[in-house]
Amino acid sequence: DGGITQSPKYLFRKEGQNVTLSCEQNLNHDAMYWYRQDPGQGLRLIYYSQIVNDFQKGDIAEGYSVSREKKESFPLTVTSAQKNPTAFYLCASSISGGRGNQPQHFGDGTRLSIL
Amino acid sequence: GENVEQHPSTLSVQEGDSAVIKCTYSDSASNYFPWYKQELGKGPQLIIDIRSNVGEKKDQRIAVTLNKTAKHFSLHITETQPEDSAVYFCAARTDKLIFGTGTRLQVFP
Repeated sequence: DGGITQSPKYLFRKEGQNVTLSCEQNLNHDAMYWYRQDPGQGLRLIYYSQIVNDFQKGDIAEGYSVSREKKESFPLTVTSAQKNPTAFYLCASSISGGRGNQPQHFGDGTRLSIL
Repeated sequence: GENVEQHPSTLSVQEGDSAVIKCTYSDSASNYFPWYKQELGKGPQLIIDIRSNVGEKKDQRIAVTLNKTAKHFSLHITETQPEDSAVYFCAARTDKLIFGTGTRLQVFP
């Protein structure tokens, strides 16, 4: 089935440690996104990529990094510089990005907690 | 930048009743308005969307209305069922999606 796969479902990080969240899609979508979800809040955009080898910062990029070496993959690294990383992380993709009105489709998220 | 406000934050209805969730947006350039349903431990699922050249769209028991002049849009669910219980998010888009803070809908049998 076509879709977006996020792994792992649960992840624990020690203080001072970098962790990488995986996001893979087989929808042949050009654009991919990372959001952070905190309780009682909407989704906030961390990074997005409209095409391979290109990505832009979203509203809360500090303490995060991404890469887009392949069309189907958009991993997110939560670095030790992110002081409050505990959250639910959601990856999404759409056929195209920019100002196009293409729907975004989401994976089932990774819940990151600090030990 | 764009700001999206969503109300109410929680909504409880009896099975079979209707539910209405309302959102307002600030940027008149917003031209795309999706609604998502999120169940516990899952990612948001797109349930309906509307573009700025349309005033209303319906899909079975779900409808969305858009008032561009007032800059608000609403989700209407008729004949609610217990499986409609979830958190619903609205969003508005100019160059990126801005989400509302969500509405927790509970449908009691």
